[in-house]
Amino acid sequence: GAVVSQHPSWVICKSGTSVKIECRSLDFQATTMFWYRQFPKQSLMLMATSNEGSKATYEQGVEKDKFLINHASLTLSTLTVTSAHPEDSSFYICSARDFQKNSPLHFGNGTRLTVT
Amino acid sequence: DAKTTQPPSMDCAEGRAANLPCNHSTISGNEYVYWYRQIHSQGPQYIIHGLKNNETNEMASLIITEDRKSSTLILPHATLRDTAVYYCIVRVAGGGADGLTFGKGTHLIIQP
Repeated sequence: GAVVSQHPSWVICKSGTSVKIECRSLDFQATTMFWYRQFPKQSLMLMATSNEGSKATYEQGVEKDKFLINHASLTLSTLTVTSAHPEDSSFYICSARDFQKNSPLHFGNGTRLTVT
Repeated sequence: DAKTTQPPSMDCAEGRAANLPCNHSTISGNEYVYWYRQIHSQGPQYIIHGLKNNETNEMASLIITEDRKSSTLILPHATLRDTAVYYCIVRVAGGGADGLTFGKGTHLIIQP
């Protein structure tokens, strides 16, 4: 149980374009999902908390207008990287937990974004 | 969240038990010890968690000292596929309403 699916697994885009990453909870409802970013040889850094039906909360230093988060249903959160630049190239990972079952956080398999 | 300290890297021979230590001397009474691992280019994988009693599942065993200031994750028969970065995280039950905070973890390398 508690499977989190992320799509796409990798994407290449040109500078200035936008990219959308999807995160789905497959067998449970997730009122809250978390988005992380990981640069090479570094640990995961929490970017934002995605809340179903309300605005996301962003960690300090993360631009909310650049990283748009939409959590429109109990099983789907999306992260859109707007006007992407090469420095946005990174590994983006989402996570969620089944609060009803008090389960641990489970993570998607990540999305490798390369901006050329 | 309580801070954790882990060695940056460890080697272990294939087939042997891998024992990964973690210090969490400032752990609070309601905080659990969680272990995750991240295989290269994948998302973190939940392994095990515990409060004060030792825990075992199909993946690993977790030994927590009586004073709860340290713990050890044991992979009983390490395989090459266990090569990964292992993260020890202290957090309230389930991980709370906030996202987990990851440190640098231990890079475990299983040697053939």
